[in-house]
Amino acid sequence: QKEVEQDPGPLSVPEGAIVSLNCTYSNSAFQYFMWYRQYSRKGPELLMYTYSSGNKEDGRFTAQVDKSSKYISLFIRDSQPSDSATYLCAMSQGGSYIPTFGRGTSLIVHP
Amino acid sequence: DADVTQTPRNRITKTGKRIMLECSQTKGHDRMYWYRQDPGLGLRLIYYSFDVKDINKGEISDGYSVSRQAQAKFSLSLESAIPNQTALYFCATSDSTGPPLHFGNGTRLTVT
Repeated sequence: QKEVEQDPGPLSVPEGAIVSLNCTYSNSAFQYFMWYRQYSRKGPELLMYTYSSGNKEDGRFTAQVDKSSKYISLFIRDSQPSDSATYLCAMSQGGSYIPTFGRGTSLIVHP
Repeated sequence: DADVTQTPRNRITKTGKRIMLECSQTKGHDRMYWYRQDPGLGLRLIYYSFDVKDINKGEISDGYSVSRQAQAKFSLSLESAIPNQTALYFCATSDSTGPPLHFGNGTRLTVT
């Protein structure tokens, strides 16, 4: 079992839908949680960064961390075709901070 | 200009050739990383460096070497390229206070 599990998709939704992307993990020492968005032929760009449990909102994006269930989510409201990309979750422990990445979920938002 | 610049963007080489991928950054970060990305496998860490005199192997370092020439420059070498090193390679940086990594736009390497 990988330390971080993420369904590769693809996840296809109509424009305007609420999208839910998820990752599970096995290492209870993870404290830092990130979501990256990667467009085709581009590098991953940091979307959301949270420490420990709880929610964080930024515009149409909300990140949730449930450490008791070892489960993190990214919600996208009012999804747009421009949100079509691969979304990678990542998490790390204190100390070295080196993140462990999920395999990424491919999201397609069709008009 | 990009904060993390990788050169070349694309490279095709033959089996057995030595090649170097280069990365430079203007973010002023101490830490630099090299990852490879393969379809279905996600991002895997090859090498990382926490400062100029610190080099560490990642989970898949065999067949690769690195050089940290300066705080802003970190290069990845394939001494004798083989076809299963065909992949997308990313350089990333971070500061010492937290994990978020900042990535370059990658080098697409094809070994024939």
